Amino acid sequence: DIVMTQSPLSLAVSLGERATINCKSSQSVFSSSKNKNYLAWYQQRPGQPPKLLIYWASTRQSGVPGRFSGSGSGTDFSLTISRLQAEDVAVYYCQQYYTPPLTFGQGTRLEIK
Amino acid sequence: QVHLQESGPGLVKPSETLSLTCSVSGGSIRPNYWSWIRQSPGRGLEWIGWVYDSGNTRYNPSLKSRVTISVDTSKNQFSLRLTSLTTADTAIYYCARIRPPMKWDLPGDFDYWGQGILVTVSS
Repeated sequence: DIVMTQSPLSLAVSLGERATINCKSSQSVFSSSKNKNYLAWYQQRPGQPPKLLIYWASTRQSGVPGRFSGSGSGTDFSLTISRLQAEDVAVYYCQQYYTPPLTFGQGTRLEIK
Repeated sequence: QVHLQESGPGLVKPSETLSLTCSVSGGSIRPNYWSWIRQSPGRGLEWIGWVYDSGNTRYNPSLKSRVTISVDTSKNQFSLRLTSLTTADTAIYYCARIRPPMKWDLPGDFDYWGQGILVTVSS
């Protein structure tokens, strides 16, 4: 199985500041034949299911605000929130879908400083 | 807008079988990939498996011997059956749709989720 490791596990950022969450996979999730990284990011607010933010490592899902961006390739990825808003308080997960079993990171809790 | 709703028992005894159903509205169940995912404090988010179209399935090897996912196109529903339950199976169970992949693409990120159903395994 591909193991997804996120860092940090907890993060506190001031409103309006930048937040960056990292995700590392135990093997590459890049497909050279398809030229895509099979990595997604989700946001989970308390009491809610996860919400898809980013797929293919850097493509924003429809309706997701532009302050959310994804980057990286191969085994190292990041999710950046450019200007933190109060509604961004949540747990964020990365997930690989390069090969089953599909696996998730352990989550990063984002709070307001 | 696709809407998913899980239904089933909230409490199941150890060694028994869990049966959950996901009702899909706002879109056709075919041709799509549909999945079950569970979440617990100890295991985090764990993918259980998927069913595609009329019944092609793929399961997490860690659960494969105990899991069956099936689809009922006439009711626009898909179901999860998990046997030989233990307390370790206590979790919130979510049904979800995999974002429809292009023909050349790999399936596996989830664009619609149900609200989840808490299943407790306890005698």
